[in-house]
Amino acid sequence: SQKIEQNSEALNIQEGKTATLTCNYTNYSPAYLQWYRQDPGRGPVFLLLIRENEKEKRKERLKVTFDTTLKQSLFHITASQPADSATYLCALEGGSSNTGKLIFGQGTTLQVKP
Amino acid sequence: NAGVMQNPRHLVRRRGQEARLRCSPMKGHSHVYWYRQLPEEGLKFMVYLQKENIIDESGMPKERFSAEFPKEGPSILRIQQVVRGDSAAYFCASSPPSGTRGNEQFFGPGTRLTVL
Repeated sequence: SQKIEQNSEALNIQEGKTATLTCNYTNYSPAYLQWYRQDPGRGPVFLLLIRENEKEKRKERLKVTFDTTLKQSLFHITASQPADSATYLCALEGGSSNTGKLIFGQGTTLQVKP
Repeated sequence: NAGVMQNPRHLVRRRGQEARLRCSPMKGHSHVYWYRQLPEEGLKFMVYLQKENIIDESGMPKERFSAEFPKEGPSILRIQQVVRGDSAAYFCASSPPSGTRGNEQFFGPGTRLTVL
């Protein structure tokens, strides 16, 4: 069955360092991969989308890579700040009968310490 | 431009009662998705609707759950005869009519359902 895995353990880093979050998937061929941020008690907020034919995408301090051979995406936050502390969700979209629905990983919680 | 609106934000029901969750998509958006987030779990797709049509309900439980998106008014997710296992956060998301694929989804704040 389709499976998406993100690090279940919280990631704790020092302010100013680069945070790297991992998303691995199996039994799936997504056309798109998206990353969302979710704060406690709130809905997810879109961050970045990367297509299957793209290797890397950047937006300000964020960078996403997408390796369809390894079936893995890495999400980087450079020069991290305490305000970056949140849960980050990886979501896959695509497939033969895709209707735009997203398949989410369980999320990784990032804690940036000042 | 108001974002996706959901109400109520919090809903408490006793076992056997009905729960109605409402979602108003962003202005100009005609695609609505419902997701459920159980405690300590990720978001799970439930249903995808366009105006007056259910496009994909592959994530909906077979019984007690239904959804609609009428021509006028908000989308409604209805849960009949709620059980404790229905306690979760229910999120609605919308996307523009320019195509469903490769579009970000805009999420509402969620409705937190508690079944006593």
